[in-house]
Amino acid sequence: QQQVKQSPQSLIVQKGGIPIINCAYENTAFDYFPWYQQFPGKGPALLIAIRPDVSEKKEGRFTISFNKSAKQFSLHIMDSQPGDSATYFCAASKGGHDMRFGAGTRLTVKP
Amino acid sequence: EAGVTQSPTHLIKTRGQQATLRCSPISGHTSVYWYQQALGLGLQFLLWYDEGEERNRGNFPPRFSGRQFPNYSSELNVNALELEDSALYLCASSLGRFDEQYFGPGTRLTVT
Repeated sequence: QQQVKQSPQSLIVQKGGIPIINCAYENTAFDYFPWYQQFPGKGPALLIAIRPDVSEKKEGRFTISFNKSAKQFSLHIMDSQPGDSATYFCAASKGGHDMRFGAGTRLTVKP
Repeated sequence: EAGVTQSPTHLIKTRGQQATLRCSPISGHTSVYWYQQALGLGLQFLLWYDEGEERNRGNFPPRFSGRQFPNYSSELNVNALELEDSALYLCASSLGRFDEQYFGPGTRLTVT
């Protein structure tokens, strides 16, 4: 009953590149779309989140692009660094609870 | 400010036993969520507690249960453990039902 589909499963970029991770959702009732970053052995950490009333949100080097009509959203990481190497999860929820997560994208940023 | 804490860090049980996992939310947070993260997989929603009440549960059998205490801490109980219950169990808390969720480091449960 996966309601959030995430791609790609893994991604390798060079330092300074702009990795893009995409997610698509099914439930039009979803109204909260966060991205989480998870390092090995750690719990996920909230990176950035967006609500459907805006099409883009930037926080530092991280940008979420949101397309409500296509039911898609994506994460862009500008000027990526080796320290950004982690697993990234998109999620969607209605009202902030019953969060549905994507399967995750393992990002590797090479020096 | 202390983050979400979970105990124990690791737990090893044999099939058929019961496991109890504990979570302390960020001070002031009233909602607690439990997720299962099987190896290499995404997070699956298990349970949501708010103000001491179970508000929602994911698609898991009844042997997964829990509760929230008056101080908003929570415990997750897994009865009749099966091998496929081996996973990282994550707890998250939020200020209210509509706010961002902050995760703890997780409890690694291994069932042998």
